[in-house]
Amino acid sequence: DGGITQSPKYLFRKEGQNVTLSCEQNLNHDAMYWYRQDPGQGLRLIYYSQIVNDFQKGDIAEGYSVSREKKESFPLTVTSAQKNPTAFYLCASSIGARDGQAYEQYFGPGTRLTVT
Amino acid sequence: EDKVVQSPLSLVVHEGDTVTLNCSYEVTNFRSLLWYKQEKKAPTFLFMLTSSGIEKKSGRLSSILDKKELFSILNITATQTGDSAIYLCAAFGGGNKLTFGTGTQLKVEL
Repeated sequence: DGGITQSPKYLFRKEGQNVTLSCEQNLNHDAMYWYRQDPGQGLRLIYYSQIVNDFQKGDIAEGYSVSREKKESFPLTVTSAQKNPTAFYLCASSIGARDGQAYEQYFGPGTRLTVT
Repeated sequence: EDKVVQSPLSLVVHEGDTVTLNCSYEVTNFRSLLWYKQEKKAPTFLFMLTSSGIEKKSGRLSSILDKKELFSILNITATQTGDSAIYLCAAFGGGNKLTFGTGTQLKVEL
């Protein structure tokens, strides 16, 4: 089965703890993305990576960190520096942009993080 | 700063109605516009539009892009309760990234 998996589905943490969200894809996609979704706010880009060992900040990167050591995996760490971490986190992947052509992104099922 | 604006923010219709969802964008180095449907969790891809004036169709859904006026519409005809969802519009621009709108929440009632 080809697709994107995120784990866990639900995650609960105490304030001040770092937490890492997993994202794996077996679609052989070059590009991977992390978004955050809050009620009424659509999707906001946290970080993205177009190739292994390289990633760029999105619009709301503060308080988050990522790594891209393998093509299939793009974990996101929510650090204690993130002021309002409770949200729905979505990972996506795509073939990537090549020769000026854009390609659609496919999404994983998401992780709902609650920090109290 | 790249921006995508969707309207209306929410909409309630009856089964069988036709709806039109709007999306306007201001994106540097625009390449394409995408529509997604989000029910409970992951958004699912509907359409990608690159050229102006060419309608894309899938069953009761269709979409068109106007690159001169910087907007797109998504039409759903003969709506069904299963069409109830958040519809997201996103523009692909410079930096090889998507900028999403806030979405339109559609509810279809019997």
